[in-house]
Amino acid sequence: DGGITQSPKYLFRKEGQNVTLSCEQNLNHDAMYWYRQDPGQGLRLIYYSQIVNDFQKGDIAEGYSVSREKKESFPLTVTSAQKNPTAFYLCASRTSRDRTDTQYFGPGTRLTVL
Amino acid sequence: GNSVTQMEGPVTLSEEAFLTINCTYTATGYPSLFWYVQYPGEGLQLLLKATKADDKGSNKGFEATYRKETTSFHLEKGSVQVSDSAVYFCALSRSSSNTGKLIFGQGTTLQVKP
Repeated sequence: DGGITQSPKYLFRKEGQNVTLSCEQNLNHDAMYWYRQDPGQGLRLIYYSQIVNDFQKGDIAEGYSVSREKKESFPLTVTSAQKNPTAFYLCASRTSRDRTDTQYFGPGTRLTVL
Repeated sequence: GNSVTQMEGPVTLSEEAFLTINCTYTATGYPSLFWYVQYPGEGLQLLLKATKADDKGSNKGFEATYRKETTSFHLEKGSVQVSDSAVYFCALSRSSSNTGKLIFGQGTTLQVKP
């Protein structure tokens, strides 16, 4: 089955630690996106990548970093510089062949800072 | 700039009631419009979409019509079920930017009671 996987489903971090969230897709999609979701709010874009070895900041990139070394993978690192990292993180992907810009989402990772 | 506004929730309905969730937008150009659904603890699933004025998207009994004259994309269902309880997000594509980025509303929680 093609799809997007995110791991782990739940993640706990101590203050001051960096943590990396995994996102993998086997849909052969070109573009990948990371969003943050807080309770009662919409999704806010953290970073996105349209091709391998290239990525751009979204609306709330401070305190986060990403890499895109392979087409299938787009890991997100939440650094100690992120002031309030507790949130639900969603990864999405899109094919450039779809002119409607439809994105497909993974199941999410819930990060809690202790 | 581009934005999406959804009606505030929660919306509480009895089973078999008629559902409307309002969504209005501001945008330049001709964006695609989307409804996504999020069940508790999960990622977002594409529910339906429309890519040009007067298009009607439909799926699983849900419908929404792209109304350019009123800049709206209201979600409707004739008879809701308990299993429809979820958070619904309206979104639009930033069609002018060529990045595939989406702008999301804040989400509307639907609770359907038996």
